[in-house]
Amino acid sequence: QKEVEQDPGPLSVPEGAIVSLNCTYSNSAFQYFMWYRQYSRKGPELLMYTYSSGNKEDGRFTAQVDKSSKYISLFIRDSQPSDSATYLCAMGDTGRRALTFGSGTRLQVQP
Amino acid sequence: DTGVSQDPRHKITKRGQNVTFRCDPISEHNRLYWYRQTLGQGPEFLTYFQNEAQLEKSRLLSDRFSAERPKGSFSTLEIQRTEQGDSAMYLCASSGGDGYTFGSGTRLTVV
Repeated sequence: QKEVEQDPGPLSVPEGAIVSLNCTYSNSAFQYFMWYRQYSRKGPELLMYTYSSGNKEDGRFTAQVDKSSKYISLFIRDSQPSDSATYLCAMGDTGRRALTFGSGTRLQVQP
Repeated sequence: DTGVSQDPRHKITKRGQNVTFRCDPISEHNRLYWYRQTLGQGPEFLTYFQNEAQLEKSRLLSDRFSAERPKGSFSTLEIQRTEQGDSAMYLCASSGGDGYTFGSGTRLTVV
């Protein structure tokens, strides 16, 4: 079993929809959590960084962390065709600098 | 500052040849990371530098792989005696605090 599980999709939604992306993890040592967006043939781009349980909002994006359930989510409001990309969750513990990534969820927002 | 720069963008090599990739991080970032990403997967950690010191290496980094960061500036990743299984995107990232900034990667194809 992988340390971080993420549904690969693809997830197809109409423009303007609310998108929910999720990851589960098994390593209770993970303390900080990130979401990256990756367009085809590009490197991942950091969207959200959270260090604790709860919600964090930035524009149309909300990251949610539930450490007791080992479950994290990213919500995208008013989705746009330009949001079409692969979304990667990543997490790390304070003892190491290495991040452990999920396999990514491919999102398609239809105009 | 133009972000993290990687060179070359693409490399095709014959099996058994040696290849070297270069990464120029964001100038004020003291941490530098190498990751490898295969199709449909998230990035996998290879190694981490703080300034010029290589502080962590993954088990994925076999004896054929070597990374350096002379003077704590740019970094190189060399793969000796390439194998078909080395075909992947090699991503470099740098960090000065929370989160990473990734480069666009070097796509290696071993034929």
